[in-house]
Amino acid sequence: DVKVTQSSRYLVKRTGEKVFLECVQDMDHENMFWYRQDPGLGLRLIYFSYDVKMKEKGDIPEGYSVSREKKERFSLILESASTNQTSMYLCASSLGGTSGNIQYFGAGTRLSVL
Amino acid sequence: DAKTTQPPSMDCAEGRAANLPCNHSTISGNEYVYWYRQIHSQGPQYIIHGLKNNETNEMASLIITEDRKSSTLILPHATLRDTAVYYCIVRPRQGAQKLVFGQGTRLTINP
Repeated sequence: DVKVTQSSRYLVKRTGEKVFLECVQDMDHENMFWYRQDPGLGLRLIYFSYDVKMKEKGDIPEGYSVSREKKERFSLILESASTNQTSMYLCASSLGGTSGNIQYFGAGTRLSVL
Repeated sequence: DAKTTQPPSMDCAEGRAANLPCNHSTISGNEYVYWYRQIHSQGPQYIIHGLKNNETNEMASLIITEDRKSSTLILPHATLRDTAVYYCIVRPRQGAQKLVFGQGTRLTINP
């Protein structure tokens, strides 16, 4: 089974703090994604990566950065957390290529910024 | 991705088959039908996908009509743990496009 592991289920941070959300997948997937999910707004893509050290902006990249130094790990960084970044953050991975467009998700990190 | 239409909510008795419909009348030839679900406060979970033939795995069965304009996800023996929001999506099989969920169907399994 594909496993996507997010480092924390719940996080509480202060405004202005630098926040790191870590995601690891164990299936050698090419693609990795960071989404946030808010009530009434559905899933929104923040960033995705299709290879090590490669990244593409999604729909809402402002206030976020990402890092993919190893194939299995994709980190989301909130440079200076703000209250409007309180949300559920979801990491996903997919095999890529012609083999499938199925995204597998982690359990999510519920971040509260106070 | 083609648009899908699902009923906003459904109820099903525990132990019975849950049949969740989805309309996707504008599906194009290279698009597959995918089903995901999201249990409250958890990440979305992939269930099954198909192109035109019926598919079955350990979680569910997927029935796609011959004209491919609609499909039905079947949970053969629903349990309380199947209570979730179910999303039907149509998209190409390959690529790295973002996932976009519609409103989905909130399925409640009743004891």
